[in-house]
Amino acid sequence: DAGVIQSPRHEVTEMGQEVTLRCKPISGHDYLFWYRQTMMQGLELLVYFNNKAVMDDSGMPKDRFSAKMPNASFSTLKIQPSEPRDSAVYFCASTEQGIGETQYFGPGTRLLVL
Amino acid sequence: DAKTTQPPSMDCAEGRAANLPCNHSTISGNEYVYWYRQIHSQGPQYIIHGLKNNETNEMASLIITEDRKSSTLILPHATLRDTAVYYCIVRLATGSARQLTFGSGTQLTVLP
Repeated sequence: DAGVIQSPRHEVTEMGQEVTLRCKPISGHDYLFWYRQTMMQGLELLVYFNNKAVMDDSGMPKDRFSAKMPNASFSTLKIQPSEPRDSAVYFCASTEQGIGETQYFGPGTRLLVL
Repeated sequence: DAKTTQPPSMDCAEGRAANLPCNHSTISGNEYVYWYRQIHSQGPQYIIHGLKNNETNEMASLIITEDRKSSTLILPHATLRDTAVYYCIVRLATGSARQLTFGSGTQLTVLP
């Protein structure tokens, strides 16, 4: 299995621009998570899906962030407009339902907003 | 989810066992202990988890005390590639709270 795939791996953009991060979960996993990691805040959950439906997006700034999962093998996290404080590493993770689920993380997308 | 306490940093000589402690004195009966690690610039990696019995897999062993208020992750023969931040997480395995809450973890440095 290729594991969780994220693209792009690095993104540099200017403030105000739209940024789209992409994630392909592990096949068969029905949960998908988007996390953000910064030095100041550590790893924090933004949103997660179960069977393509948003289960919890309380950690996501609703005014500029949006997350979608149009099918079981693809999810996007969009930031519009981007701001310098959005600079972080964004991780996608997936897991399958069951007792003792473990999450498998992708390599992350390093976003720098200038 | 129960709160965990870990030392901020530890050193270990290469080839020796690394023993990483975690306190979780408020753990409830149906909460699991999970260990993840994050090697610099990579995504977190699952290591092992357990409920009450000791567990072992190809990466590590997890020792949970009888009262479940603390645990120790053991890397039996640490290598330089084991240098990472190790996170101890206590959470329900199922239920509405499915996110992982990462604390500050322990920075393990394996020395040559």
